[in-house]
Amino acid sequence: AQSVTQLDSHVSVSEGTPVLLRCNYSSSYSPSLFWYVQHPNKGLQLLLKYTSAATLVKGINGFEAEFKKSETSFHLTKPSAHMSDAAEYFCVVSAGTYKYIFGTGTRLKVLA
Amino acid sequence: DTAVSQTPKYLVTQMGNDKSIKCEQNLGHDTMYWYKQDSKKFLKIMFSYNNKELIINETVPNRFSPKSPDKAHLNLHINSLELGDSAVYFCASSQVGPPGATEAFFGQGTRLTVV
Repeated sequence: AQSVTQLDSHVSVSEGTPVLLRCNYSSSYSPSLFWYVQHPNKGLQLLLKYTSAATLVKGINGFEAEFKKSETSFHLTKPSAHMSDAAEYFCVVSAGTYKYIFGTGTRLKVLA
Repeated sequence: DTAVSQTPKYLVTQMGNDKSIKCEQNLGHDTMYWYKQDSKKFLKIMFSYNNKELIINETVPNRFSPKSPDKAHLNLHINSLELGDSAVYFCASSQVGPPGATEAFFGQGTRLTVV
């Protein structure tokens, strides 16, 4: 069975400081992992994806994530937060089973 | 040109009514999905269709009936709406195949409010 756990429901950072959003996964198969972002009252936008190529994945808007099999983690980072990064972030796993399993989300707040 | 489009964007209706939400994708994908996002932002799969065939029905009440007339469309009809059906419903599509799934593309969501 597959699952994802987002370790923080809320994260607050100051503008210009690093962002770390944590995600652990569980999968019986080699997983595909994704991070999506949802701005208030908007749809879901793909930030980045891991599909068994490079373990360090670069995404849009300066975000990146590192796949660590030994730790079953896929944490999302950004060196410097911007006010526009304030949103809900979802870690997602899929193993070709015709469904994407979402974590419970992390709300990122960026303080001026 | 919108990749996954769903209509309507907002839907307010009374308990007991029947309503439909339409979804279309122009990405040529073979798999489409319906997800429900509750008030706590949690996203849970309801249905997935591959090449017009139902693959997953995640213990959704029978009042919800998806229909896929072709690979590019997946509509959701809801009978006898209840207050608990109030949520944001997202349609999505992807191309599924070895070695695993590619990313899903999501529509903008339909906010359903049952009063």
